[in-house]
Amino acid sequence: DIQMTQSPSSVSASVGDRVTITCRASQGVSNRLAWYQLKPGEAPKLLIYAASSLGTGVPSRFSGSGSGTDFTLTITSLQPEDLATYYCQQANSFPFTFGPGTKVDIK
Amino acid sequence: EVQVVESGGDLVQPGGSLRLSCAASGFTFSFYWMTWVRQAPGKGLEWVANINQDGTETHYVDSVKGRFTISRDNAKNSLYLQMNSLRAEDTAVFYCGRRGTTGNWVGFWGQGTLVTVSS
Repeated sequence: DIQMTQSPSSVSASVGDRVTITCRASQGVSNRLAWYQLKPGEAPKLLIYAASSLGTGVPSRFSGSGSGTDFTLTITSLQPEDLATYYCQQANSFPFTFGPGTKVDIK
Repeated sequence: EVQVVESGGDLVQPGGSLRLSCAASGFTFSFYWMTWVRQAPGKGLEWVANINQDGTETHYVDSVKGRFTISRDNAKNSLYLQMNSLRAEDTAVFYCGRRGTTGNWVGFWGQGTLVTVSS
């Protein structure tokens, strides 16, 4: 199975800050990598697919990059509504494993 | 509007069984792979199972193989998860999801249904 790691496990930043989350796969997954946003009590939301494509209705302050084993999710200007936990998932081979998550707090 | 709505979550004793349902609308259900993902209390997301468009191909995470069965009824636009021999560690919110149009990510998610396994 492909193991996914994320760093940091949590980050606290101010409104307007740039936030970067990294995700690493234990073996190459090409660009078959997605990012999700999970807020308490809400349905998870697809933010980024195919490593760098923006999901439907996702604000342009979110972006993704990477290929192979190393990926990045960037929020260019953090907003209060971005308070959430963010997960990466490899969609290259079964089981489609998730990273452990990164909790984003607003200072 | 694409919607998937889960139901069937409940409190069940260890060793018991439960069937979750997911009602889909707003898209041609029979065209898409479907998935179940869960989140245990205080834990991260865990992919559980996938099923192809006509139900002939299924995949499971190792921890549920032999205990859980994913199935679908395309005539009813419904996805199911039959869970047997439930354990305390199966306690989680279970999410139903629709595969993305271009890859195996989950393009649309439901709100989830809570399964609690406890005596």
